[in-house]
Amino acid sequence: QITLKESGPTVVKPTQTLTLSCTFSGFSLSTNGVGVGWIRQTPGKALEWLALIYWDDDERYSPSLRGRLTITKDTSKNQVVLTMTKMDPVDTGTYYCVHSGYSGYSAYWGQGALVTVSS
Amino acid sequence: DIQMTQSPSTLSASVGDRVTITCRASQSITNWLAWYQQQPGKAPKLLIYRASTLESGVPSRFSGSGSGTEFTLTISSLQPEDFATYYCQQYSTPSPTWTFGPGARVEIK
Repeated sequence: QITLKESGPTVVKPTQTLTLSCTFSGFSLSTNGVGVGWIRQTPGKALEWLALIYWDDDERYSPSLRGRLTITKDTSKNQVVLTMTKMDPVDTGTYYCVHSGYSGYSAYWGQGALVTVSS
Repeated sequence: DIQMTQSPSTLSASVGDRVTITCRASQSITNWLAWYQQQPGKAPKLLIYRASTLESGVPSRFSGSGSGTEFTLTISSLQPEDFATYYCQQYSTPSPTWTFGPGARVEIK
C-alpha cells in the first residue's frame, strides 16, 4: 500500500523560505522509473505542478518557479524535501506530495499541507 | 504552456442524472489526459488516464473519451458521492510542465 504524508510549517512570513518534507511508504525511490513530486493548490492558480525528482536523481522544475525551488531525496529515509524561497502571500495554499513516474498522472497523493504566507 | 479549459465551471444535477464535463486543450495532446475527482478538504483522486482508461477501483459509471484537443468525462448515473469538483490534466509535455484545468464543480440541484 502506497502512502505519502507531507509535513512542515503551517505559517511562514513573506520573504522567508518554506521547507516541506514528504515521507512515503510502499515503494522505493531507487526503483527504475519512480518519481516523487509536489503539486500545489492555490486560490489563484488552482492545481499547479511544482517539481519532481526521479529515482536516478533527475530533478525537474516548473519553469515559472524554477529559480525558487529545490527538490531533494533521501532514499534511505523514504523522504523527499521541497524548499521554496522568497515566499509571498500568493503562495498561500495546500501543497501535495505525489507518487509519479514518467507517465504524467498521479494515482497516489498525500493528504496535503496547508501553508499560509502572512506576516 | 498548454492551457486547459473546462466547461461548465459549475453544473447542477440530481441523483441519477447523466452528466458530461468537457475539457479542451490549447493544442493537441493526443490522448495524454487524466481526470481527477476532488471532494472538499481532500486530495484529488485519479479517475481516468490516457483519456479513457479507468483507474482500478473506480466505478464503471465514470467514462472518458476524446483525443487531440477535446475530451469529455461522463458520469452515466450520478450518485450522492459524486458531488465534487472534477479536474482534467494534460501530460503530453515534458515533466513537470503538465497542466490542470480550472475545475468543474458538480453540485446538487
